[in-house]
Amino acid sequence: KAGVTQTPRYLIKTRGQQVTLSCSPISGHRSVSWYQQTPGQGLQFLFEYFSETQRNKGNFPGRFSGRQFSNSRSEMNVSTLELGDSALYLCASSLGGSANEKLFFGSGTQLSVL
Amino acid sequence: GNSVTQMEGPVTLSEEAFLTINCTYTATGYPSLFWYVQYPGEGLQLLLKATKADDKGSNKGFEATYRKETTSFHLEKGSVQVSDSAVYFCALSDAGGTSYGKLTFGQGTILTVHP
Repeated sequence: KAGVTQTPRYLIKTRGQQVTLSCSPISGHRSVSWYQQTPGQGLQFLFEYFSETQRNKGNFPGRFSGRQFSNSRSEMNVSTLELGDSALYLCASSLGGSANEKLFFGSGTQLSVL
Repeated sequence: GNSVTQMEGPVTLSEEAFLTINCTYTATGYPSLFWYVQYPGEGLQLLLKATKADDKGSNKGFEATYRKETTSFHLEKGSVQVSDSAVYFCALSDAGGTSYGKLTFGQGTILTVHP
């Protein structure tokens, strides 16, 4: 069974640009969550989608948005990039039926904002 | 709000040494508790979890017990191997069961095991 796939693996952007990251969950998983990982703030929850609906949202500005497609694939978008958005962005998938279930993480997209 | 505090690293041990990584939490009610591990260049993997007080999670020789009275979930292993070198994250999900996909993580503890 294929794992969680994130593309691209690395991305370099400049301030003010926007970026879209993609996440393909494990087959059969309907929930996709997104996290930002930085050395200073650690891992912080961005949002979670289930059956194309956002169920949970973290404390990030509106520049961070996401969506989920009918095949459960998800994208997140960051508009008007700032230097502080440089981070490893991780997505995780799960069946989505319980808040206690195991999350399966991808290897992440490393975003550098110059 | 919820928070998780882990012992600061890095932790450096010799092979076959005993490992303890401390984790304490602040949350209302009875959250579920997790340990995730991140190997270099990879995403996080669930190591073990416990969903109620006094539960013990275990996997691959690692153990952690959910202690409500001390709000702790310390990770232990009796004999570490070089292959255990990684970053370890303690995490919790809210009590109430509606925090789908949402975990609050500690800062992570880097473990290095030398032969």
